[in-house]
Amino acid sequence: DAGVTQSPTHLIKTRGQQVTLRCSPKSGHDTVSWYQQALGQGPQFIFQYYEEEERQRGNFPDRFSGHQFPNYSSELNVNALLLGDSALYLCASTSGGTSSYNEQFFGPGTRLTVL
Amino acid sequence: AQRVTQPEKLLSVFKGAPVELKCNYSYSGSPELFWYVQYSRQRLQLLLRHISRESIKGFTADLNKGETSFHLKKPFAQEEDSAMYYCALSRNYGGSQGNLIFGKGTKLSVKP
Repeated sequence: DAGVTQSPTHLIKTRGQQVTLRCSPKSGHDTVSWYQQALGQGPQFIFQYYEEEERQRGNFPDRFSGHQFPNYSSELNVNALLLGDSALYLCASTSGGTSSYNEQFFGPGTRLTVL
Repeated sequence: AQRVTQPEKLLSVFKGAPVELKCNYSYSGSPELFWYVQYSRQRLQLLLRHISRESIKGFTADLNKGETSFHLKKPFAQEEDSAMYYCALSRNYGGSQGNLIFGKGTKLSVKP
């Protein structure tokens, strides 16, 4: 089991563009959370998906949207990119939805640079 | 406001010395707290959670509601403990880990 996988590893975009990041959860997991980690900061919660629906959302604008597929994989989409969106985007997976107490496992992250 | 504060960006100790990584929180409800660790070139991973009351790799953390603290301690630091440590607070009732507030992290460096 490769654990949580994310693609791509690195990405460079320009302001105003749109980007899609992908995440495959650890085998057996059905719940995916996304975090943004700016340089020198801790991760910030963006949203969580369970049963193909957004269940919880952090303090991020509507430019950030997501999707979860029937196979539990997930996408994070960011529209109208700003310089401030440059960060490491982390995906984390667990099983059992928002009330689950099961351990959450993180992926390696996608490094997004906006020029 | 819900907040996690780690006052030290960097903590440097010698091998065998005691270690204490500080974490303070601000939360109106009953807090569920965690410590995550990231070793060099590895993924962020759960180290321990307060509700489990367990010792992992010699580390312990006690929740002090009066001082709103959850400091991470180890009596004798090892070189392999060198890593980035994040304190985190769950926003979810019951303490599930999907919606966490993280501190900015403390880099622990253990010198030989």
